[in-house]
Amino acid sequence: GESVGLHLPTLSVQEGDNSIINCAYSNSASDYFIWYKQESGKGPQFIIDIRSNMDKRQGQRVTVLLNKTVKHLSLQIAATQPGDSAVYFCAEIFFYGQNFVFGPGTRLSVLP
Amino acid sequence: SQTIHQWPATLVQPVGSPLSLECTVEGTSNPNLYWYRQAAGRGLQLLFYSVGIGQISSEVPQNLSASRPQDRQFILSSKKLLLSDSGFYLCAWTEGDGYTFGSGTRLTVV
Repeated sequence: GESVGLHLPTLSVQEGDNSIINCAYSNSASDYFIWYKQESGKGPQFIIDIRSNMDKRQGQRVTVLLNKTVKHLSLQIAATQPGDSAVYFCAEIFFYGQNFVFGPGTRLSVLP
Repeated sequence: SQTIHQWPATLVQPVGSPLSLECTVEGTSNPNLYWYRQAAGRGLQLLFYSVGIGQISSEVPQNLSASRPQDRQFILSSKKLLLSDSGFYLCAWTEGDGYTFGSGTRLTVV
């Protein structure tokens, strides 16, 4: 919705540049992580996921990196486009998928 | 294909009035269903989840309640809305890893 993310950290990138969005998670027992994209007035949409036994996974124009040592997750978007403007947040999942914890999100703003 | 429907998209209600938000899922059976609230500047807060008809678990004590009268229907209700109930409400379902979210309901309590 339009008021979601009013006080979120914002990342501004030029169209065509690469974007890196970071997320720190809390539970070292988390075994699965997901990045979601939420456009204004819409529900979050799945982008890419990664299991805890991996440190990198690539999708179409997106890459997720997982550093379990420091409990850090990042989302890289290649050649950022205006349609990528949204709030992005990560989710950590543990206990056989019964517990989801969502991060607060980062607003990505793509400049022309 | 599985789809999730949530309505209404926006709602403005006076303090003290009742609330009913509805969510239905198509193309699946016995899904786990969830209600989340997203307040301005904050992440998603799990309100209720349901693993089956009539089975509701509440995560946060509050002014809201949930019901699951049918396998693919999940309803969020309140008898008397508070100003603090304003927010963006999301229904979601999962059959395993990962959520599928509805389009959300923007609730403004005035």
